[in-house]
Amino acid sequence: ETGVTQSPTHLIKTRGQQVTLRCSSQSGHNTVSWYQQALGQGPQFIFQYYREEENGRGNFPPRFSGLQFPNYSSELNVNALELDDSALYLCASSLGQGAGAYNEQFFGPGTRLTVL
Amino acid sequence: QKEVEQNSGPLSVPEGAIASLNCTYSDRGSQSFFWYRQYSGKSPELIMFIYSNGDKEDGRFTAQLNKASQYVSLLIRDSQPSDSATYLCAVKGKRFGAGTRLTVKP
Repeated sequence: ETGVTQSPTHLIKTRGQQVTLRCSSQSGHNTVSWYQQALGQGPQFIFQYYREEENGRGNFPPRFSGLQFPNYSSELNVNALELDDSALYLCASSLGQGAGAYNEQFFGPGTRLTVL
Repeated sequence: QKEVEQNSGPLSVPEGAIASLNCTYSDRGSQSFFWYRQYSGKSPELIMFIYSNGDKEDGRFTAQLNKASQYVSLLIRDSQPSDSATYLCAVKGKRFGAGTRLTVKP
C-alpha cells in the first residue's frame, strides 16, 4: 500500500453535473498528477501540480480543472459531466518536477466515477 | 500513430518461463521509460525505470531499451502465477500505453 489516498472510492453522477475528487499525497511528496483510466485502457495524463502550481497538462478540455493545497493534497474538478467521463480517476504523488520525479511515482487506489 | 503502443495480449506463458513484453514509442526525444504492473481492480505500481540504452536488471525483471529503434521491453524470468497482471509501459513518466495482459499458467 502506498501512502496516497483518494476519496470518494466510488461516485455516481448524471450528465451535466459537476464533481470534485480528492487526493492526499504521500508524506514528503510535493507533486501530484491526475490520470483518467477508461476500462481496458492505460492511464491518460490530465495534469500535474507542483507546489500549488499547474505544471503540465494533457489533452483534456478546460472543464477539467484542479487545485493543490499548501499541504500538497489536491482536488480534481470536472464540470458539465459527459457519459465518456465515466472512468477510474487516479492520482499519483511524487517528489519534485522533471523526469526524475517519476522515478518514484506512487498511485492512489483511484475513484471510480460513473456518469449516467 | 499512438504515442505509446503495446500489444494488448493476452500473453500466456507457463510457470517458470520467460515472459517478454514490448512497447514502442513515437517521440524520438523521449529520455525516460517506466514499467508498471496493474492487478485487476488495483492501481498501477512501479516495477522499474530505464534511461540508458541497453539492459537494466532488478531481480527477476530486466528492462531493455533501444532508442534508435524506439522500443523498450520488459523480460520477466521464472514467471510465477502471481505475475499475472496487466503491464503498462510509460514514456516520460506520464504517457502510458494501453497495457499488455499477462497470464502465467501453473
